[in-house]
Amino acid sequence: GAVVSQHPSRVICKSGTSVKIECRSLDFQATTMFWYRQFPKKSLMLMATSNEGSKATYEQGVEKDKFLINHASLTLSTLTVTSAHPEDSSFYICSLGGVGSETQYFGPGTRLLVL
Amino acid sequence: GENVEQHPSTLSVQEGDSAVIKCTYSDSASNYFPWYKQELGKGPQLIIDIRSNVGEKKDQRIAVTLNKTAKHFSLHITETQPEDSAVYFCAASKGGNNRLAFGKGNQVVVIP
Repeated sequence: GAVVSQHPSRVICKSGTSVKIECRSLDFQATTMFWYRQFPKKSLMLMATSNEGSKATYEQGVEKDKFLINHASLTLSTLTVTSAHPEDSSFYICSLGGVGSETQYFGPGTRLLVL
Repeated sequence: GENVEQHPSTLSVQEGDSAVIKCTYSDSASNYFPWYKQELGKGPQLIIDIRSNVGEKKDQRIAVTLNKTAKHFSLHITETQPEDSAVYFCAASKGGNNRLAFGKGNQVVVIP
């Protein structure tokens, strides 16, 4: 399967600041990337789907102006949490999908704590 | 949309015994069913998947069965080992780059 990295693995920030999380495909051309968030002992909640070179499609209830997604290349997608609030504290995970492929490969996740 | 339910929520087994996790789905158009293993603090890892054109798939100690008529699929782990302890998620999708609908997860504990 594909090797996916995320950076940083964990981050602590103050309320009101912005945090950028990177998702990289190390050996796979990801035409589609997905961003999820996961609360403790809960399932994965899809936030948005992004295709390389086009705007992301956000799930209902996810604020696109708060969670900025950029999928600039086939190997990199970024999620920026703007004006972070303590309720944004969560585990954020990206996944990759290939051309016409239903298989998703997940990154190791980023733990965000907003103080 | 697709609704995936997963049972039981927690499963404890003795080392060496088998573990079975069952999932049901609601959308008959779903045709791809992966299983993910998630260890604490890590991202989900794909362990096996099955497509709707087959009824069973096996990979060493892990197998998945699919019953399209009843719309349920199961994960079978044989000869369980302590390192099998994790949360297991089932999912379903309509294939292609369609979203995955996840179950709520199952905490498997293998008792040495």
